Amino acid sequence: GESVGLHLPTLSVQEGDNSIINCAYSNSASDYFIWYKQESGKGPQFIIDIRSNMDKRQGQRVTVLLNKTVKHLSLQIAATQPGDSAVYFCAEIGAYQKVTFGTGTKLQVIP
Amino acid sequence: KAGVTQTPRYLIKTRGQQVTLSCSPISGHRSVSWYQQTPGQGLQFLFEYFSETQRNKGNFPGRFSGRQFSNSRSEMNVSTLELGDSALYLCASSFKADNEQFFGPGTRLTVL
Repeated sequence: GESVGLHLPTLSVQEGDNSIINCAYSNSASDYFIWYKQESGKGPQFIIDIRSNMDKRQGQRVTVLLNKTVKHLSLQIAATQPGDSAVYFCAEIGAYQKVTFGTGTKLQVIP
Repeated sequence: KAGVTQTPRYLIKTRGQQVTLSCSPISGHRSVSWYQQTPGQGLQFLFEYFSETQRNKGNFPGRFSGRQFSNSRSEMNVSTLELGDSALYLCASSFKADNEQFFGPGTRLTVL
């Protein structure tokens, strides 16, 4: 079946450093992916998305890379700040908005 | 624009009871999806509605059901509650399929 997974459950980074969160997906037919950030007590919040016809997309301090050959997705956060501490999920969007989430990576920013 | 709202925010029920959760999407959004989030299983898709029709369904038992009204508001119902149904239930809305989803704060359900 379809699945989306993450390699690292917890990532600790020093404030100011760059963070990289990785994700593997299994459905090669998927053409839309999203990264979400979830803070304690809140619902997931959209960070950035990418479609399969792209291999890179940049936002404000965030970059998503898509490698369709190895079915791998990554989220890069530049100059990580304490406010970036949260759980990050990659998600694969199927037909009719069926979203398959990864297990999540907890990002801890050390001041 | 107001965001996605969910009511109630917290709910405590006992085994065997049934519960109804409500979700009001962002104005103009016609697609509403429901998810269950637990520490053990993570975020799992329940179902998606668009224009009052269920278009997609996850792998949950028939005790989990939902509906959408003409104003796009949606409800989900869980009957014969089990302890394992304790979770955060999240609702998300989008303008149409394959669009960014906006999540509500969730309803925390505790089954005793």
